[in-house]
Amino acid sequence: EAGVTQFPSHSVIEKGQTVTLRCDPISGHDNLYWYRRVMGKEIKFLLHFVKESKQDESGMPNNRFLAERTGGTYSTLKVQPAELEDSGVYFCASSYDRTYSPLHFGNGTRLTVT
Amino acid sequence: GIQVEQSPPDLILQEGANSTLRCNFSDSVNNLQWFHQNPWGQLINLFYIPSGTKQNGRLSATTVATERYSLLYISSSQTTDSGVYFCAVEREGGSEKLVFGKGTKLTVNP
Repeated sequence: EAGVTQFPSHSVIEKGQTVTLRCDPISGHDNLYWYRRVMGKEIKFLLHFVKESKQDESGMPNNRFLAERTGGTYSTLKVQPAELEDSGVYFCASSYDRTYSPLHFGNGTRLTVT
Repeated sequence: GIQVEQSPPDLILQEGANSTLRCNFSDSVNNLQWFHQNPWGQLINLFYIPSGTKQNGRLSATTVATERYSLLYISSSQTTDSGVYFCAVEREGGSEKLVFGKGTKLTVNP
């Protein structure tokens, strides 16, 4: 089966610009998560979708971040406008069951804001 | 929130050596997973192990939930084992999100 796919793998943008990251979860996985790792820090939770519904968005840093999952398939994470501190690696992950199954990660999108 | 501490933070081994990585957590959990981030940045799920012991080839893991720790054993290490190993937990009764430790950076030299 295909794994979790993220696009793009790298993105370099200027402060104030907009970037949209995409994630395609493993087919059949209703649970989709976004995490990020900023330089030198832990991997931190951003939000969790169950199908098209946001289950938990407590980790979203501020209202410059907008995540969507229309139709319960792929998800997008938009950063608008980007700030320098948004730089890091954004990971998407999916799982079949909320708690009792492994979490599978994509390869991540490395975002650099200059 | 729940605290996750991993030790050691860095580990350097010669190929063929064995190692034990530790993960301590501050609260009861119903989900614990180990991940390997390879030098290319990919996060690979190694084990889903909220309790008990599992083995997969040269790797095995044990979680003692009552004592709030988990161990990851790597035997006969290979250079391809290099990378960062993360432990992540979900607090019992919490929302369905994993909290990650800071990781153990493993370097296996030939």
